[in-house]
Amino acid sequence: GAGVSQSPSNKVTEKGKDVELRCDPISGHTALYWYRQSLGQGLEFLIYFQGNSAPDKSGLPSDRFSAERTGGSVSTLTIQRTQQEDSAVYLCASSLTQAQPQHFGDGTRLSIL
Amino acid sequence: GIQVEQSPPDLILQEGANSTLRCNFSDSVNNLQWFHQNPWGQLINLFYIPSGTKQNGRLSATTVATERYSLLYISSSQTTDSGVYFCGPMDSNYQLIWGAGTKLIIKP
Repeated sequence: GAGVSQSPSNKVTEKGKDVELRCDPISGHTALYWYRQSLGQGLEFLIYFQGNSAPDKSGLPSDRFSAERTGGSVSTLTIQRTQQEDSAVYLCASSLTQAQPQHFGDGTRLSIL
Repeated sequence: GIQVEQSPPDLILQEGANSTLRCNFSDSVNNLQWFHQNPWGQLINLFYIPSGTKQNGRLSATTVATERYSLLYISSSQTTDSGVYFCGPMDSNYQLIWGAGTKLIIKP
């Protein structure tokens, strides 16, 4: 696609529910990144994919968070048993290769009630 | 790990003014990007600048990697320039290390 696409744009859910966030990167981009941004804060790195593999999962905050990427394209970030502190904007970025500029989607704003 | 410091943290200017935003980093980096996050939260890639100077309209950026800093210049500011400006040096694993940002407000 022309840009990085994320869905849903907004998600409101109850504490304890599972959520899935989707990222469709720019066509041909092999590297894909997930970040989290809490209100008024900078970006927090979560996970990075090169193709379908995730060489760096160091940023995932707990074992409730997981991510996968299939076909070297679309990625899904899953949060199980959501907590209120999971409320944030989740941003996805992609780049042609790891060393190239990262381009961001508009994010998913997640609110946990 | 690499530490990133951006200054000033906040900047309020009148429309038409010029400004310089600074990014210092604590170690050698592979590359560096500047981003603008607009008031709606969208992150726009401004520059990908490992060294030297680049210009794009009213914006330009300079990175002096040997001295571990980068500068973003905004000339003739417009209200649409408001938002937060982030610099992101890349470490040896090509991971972006995010600064805390400079919040810029341009008043009409």
